[in-house]
Amino acid sequence: GQSLEQPSEVTAVEGAIVQINCTYQTSGFYGLSWYQQHDGGAPTFLSYNALDGLEETGRFSSFLSRSDSYGYLLLQELQMKDSASYFCAVLQTGANNLFFGTGTRLTVIP
Amino acid sequence: NAGVTQTPKFRVLKTGQSMTLLCAQDMNHEYMYWYRQDPGMGLRLIHYSVGEGTTAKGEVPDGYNVSRLKKQNFLLGLESAAPSQTSVYFCASRTVDGTYEQYFGPGTRLTVT
Repeated sequence: GQSLEQPSEVTAVEGAIVQINCTYQTSGFYGLSWYQQHDGGAPTFLSYNALDGLEETGRFSSFLSRSDSYGYLLLQELQMKDSASYFCAVLQTGANNLFFGTGTRLTVIP
Repeated sequence: NAGVTQTPKFRVLKTGQSMTLLCAQDMNHEYMYWYRQDPGMGLRLIHYSVGEGTTAKGEVPDGYNVSRLKKQNFLLGLESAAPSQTSVYFCASRTVDGTYEQYFGPGTRLTVT
């Protein structure tokens, strides 16, 4: 089977940095993805990590440690529009499907 | 490009009724997916397709059927709706390789009474 753990809620101040952690247990691991979803909206892709290390895309970065079965999403220079739910998702062996975590609701406060 | 579109956006069904949700994509993607999302939950995979004419079961396939007769369309059917199928349904598609990015449709909010 598979399981993903991420915090259910995080609150951070506008302009600050926040890190959302994700630990996973899976029978077959290919890579880790992150998606953002605003209330009432559809999920949108943020990043994908297949190898250990940090991937940076603008204000967002994503990290993976395959040996620790752990990853995180780092959001810098937080803006009010970053208030949303963030999901980590494991791409399973075979690379056909994603298995999603239950999401972390980020609230950015002034 | 419209991307991924879903029809309808909202629907209310009575228990035992049937319906079909339509997903269409204009990006020539090989892979297509149907998910459901319940309050406070992540997305759970119902069925998926890796190409025209092929389908496979995901995590929660019971009570649903799918068909992929054309590459651009992926249909999700509920033969006899139950209140437990009240949910928001998302369709997604992606290419074969690359970043494995899935492109999601806007969702269908289904209520079964």
